[in-house]
Amino acid sequence: EIVMTQTPLSLSVTPGQPASISCKSSQSLLHSDGKTYLYWYLQKPGQPPQLLIYEVSNRFSGVADRFSGSGSGTDFTLRISRVEAEDVGVYYCMQSMRLPKTFGPGTKVDIK
Amino acid sequence: EVQLVESGGGVVRPGGSLRISCAASGFTFGAYAMSWVRQAPGKGLEWVSAINRNGGYTAYADSVKGRFTISRDNAKNSLYLQMNSLRDEDTALYYCARAHISTDYGEGFDPWGQGTLVTVSS
Repeated sequence: EIVMTQTPLSLSVTPGQPASISCKSSQSLLHSDGKTYLYWYLQKPGQPPQLLIYEVSNRFSGVADRFSGSGSGTDFTLRISRVEAEDVGVYYCMQSMRLPKTFGPGTKVDIK
Repeated sequence: EVQLVESGGGVVRPGGSLRISCAASGFTFGAYAMSWVRQAPGKGLEWVSAINRNGGYTAYADSVKGRFTISRDNAKNSLYLQMNSLRDEDTALYYCARAHISTDYGEGFDPWGQGTLVTVSS
């Protein structure tokens, strides 16, 4: 099983300031097809998760451009360029390279 | 509008069985792989099971293998999870989730339903 870790586990951010979350996998998520199967989700309070980023760096439909993803192999980062109040919640990374699909423990983001 | 609506959750005793369902609308159901993902109260996300587009391939987390069975009925736009030999640790909100794209491998999940709560308790 591929183990996903995230740091930090919690983050308090001033509105308008940037934020960054790191995600590491225990094995490379680079597939032989050239794609890297790393995803980012946001779970807002009381809601199901929503997809933000697919395959490391691609913003999903409707996702604000203040969200960006980067990384390769086993090290990945989600950045929010300017945090807004609506960005509060828990952020999860997930690998879809190998079954079972596994999630990181989550990073709780709140507003100062 | 793409929509997933779960149903069938409830309280069941340890060792009991339950079948939960997910009704899909707003998209061509048979064109997408589907999964169940669960979230224990106050905890993170755990992938439970997946099924490919035509139902010919299924996969399970080790924690539920041999106890849970995923299935789908493309004619009824519905996904199911039959849960047997339920344990306390199966207590969770169970989400139905669609593959974010129509593919055979490596998909993410979007959208997700609102979830159905399964509580295993004596």
